[in-house]
Amino acid sequence: DAGITQSPRHKVTETGTPVTLRCHQTENHRYMYWYRQDPGHGLRLIHYSYGVKDTDKGEVSDGYSVSRSKTEDFLLTLESATSSQTSVYFCAISEWKGSSYNSPLHFGNGTRLTVT
Amino acid sequence: DQQVKQNSPSLSVQEGRISILNCDYTNSMFDYFLWYKKYPAEGPTFLISISSIKDKNEDGRFTVFLNKSAKHLSLHIVPSQPGDSAVYFCAAGNTNAGKSTFGDGTTLTVKP
Repeated sequence: DAGITQSPRHKVTETGTPVTLRCHQTENHRYMYWYRQDPGHGLRLIHYSYGVKDTDKGEVSDGYSVSRSKTEDFLLTLESATSSQTSVYFCAISEWKGSSYNSPLHFGNGTRLTVT
Repeated sequence: DQQVKQNSPSLSVQEGRISILNCDYTNSMFDYFLWYKKYPAEGPTFLISISSIKDKNEDGRFTVFLNKSAKHLSLHIVPSQPGDSAVYFCAAGNTNAGKSTFGDGTTLTVKP
């Protein structure tokens, strides 16, 4: 398995509080991603990073921010959590050798976040 | 506007028979396609992929077919085994874009 660790694995928080989820990789891959999975919506991209301090928005980025100060760590922050952000969050990494045909995503085991 | 669609939320097949999972896409810029498998409480894992320059790719029991004119791809699993029971996600992307778009997934149940 690709070396990807997500922390925490489970979190319950209250509406309006800030929350930070961490993704740590030991593969030295350049690309890192945050997805959320909700029933009926599959996996939706929140933000991704193509290098240290280089990030871009995905399709559901509102209410989320990210930071990548080191190759191995990609942080997802919910500035003020809302109930609609209750979800399972997956981090993924990719080597991206110029053709993603040869560079599939490797996913962590997810963080289950509940906002009450 | 959902660019990758898996219209069947679920599929049930008998062990030993063929499982066919379907996926449609709308974005003509997609030039690679992947299938992932997901078990409960785990992250998705890569299964098989295909480039737009091919129409078929095979890996053991798994074969992916691509019909570019119809913007349709399918995953065939032959023979199906109970351990194949999982959620299968279709994904598509553009080589230069650096990201993939996923379908909603199809839950496959293989009955012994």
